[in-house]
Amino acid sequence: QVQLVESGGGVVQPGRSLRLSCAASRFTFSAYPMHWVRQAPGKGLEWVAIISNDGTNEFYLDSVRGRFTISRDNSKNTLYLQMNSLRTEDTAVYYCATAMSGNWWYFDYWGQGALVTVSS
Amino acid sequence: QSALTQPPSASGSPGQSVTISCTGTSSDVGAYNFVSWYQQHPGKAPKLMIYDVNKRPSGVPDRFSGSKSGSTASLSVSGLQAEDEADYYCSSFAGSNSCVFGTGTKVTVL
Repeated sequence: QVQLVESGGGVVQPGRSLRLSCAASRFTFSAYPMHWVRQAPGKGLEWVAIISNDGTNEFYLDSVRGRFTISRDNSKNTLYLQMNSLRTEDTAVYYCATAMSGNWWYFDYWGQGALVTVSS
Repeated sequence: QSALTQPPSASGSPGQSVTISCTGTSSDVGAYNFVSWYQQHPGKAPKLMIYDVNKRPSGVPDRFSGSKSGSTASLSVSGLQAEDEADYYCSSFAGSNSCVFGTGTKVTVL
């Protein structure tokens, strides 16, 4: 069964940076695009970013473009989200998710999430 | 990239049916058949229930079905069971290499 494990969450001050990781296992990581999706406390889901299977294409939610960078290391089966210039409104649980169905825009499997709290 | 509109809540008794709407625009739901639905239990990660408007991944009961008319997609759950009590979110490709989720619907099994 597909396994995704996020790490790197924590409490950070506004304006600072944080990097999330998502360790993937039990599937061919290098074959599939990957997403980051977030959920603010008590709120709904919000798509954040996607990266192609080979890392050559990245797309972002407008409000994070220029501040967040999605990347992957296929040799380590790991997905990353580098978050810079963090804002209080970035506070959320961040999930990594696979896009294995053949369509980039479905979220087939999800990790358990990593909580990022941006607060002074 | 405005969120798709869902009713905040829906409910039904065990064995009954419930239908959740997901209203978008001609730029997202109305433009593409790339609509999916997710079930999320409290404190858990979401789970894919429907994709391509009306297809079920392996393992999802056929009590769950999806449809679309114009810019509104719908998720129906028949034969409600206690374990169906959860939050449900729709999602649609929105063009320009982005996607958007719905506002979410809390389904209560009475």
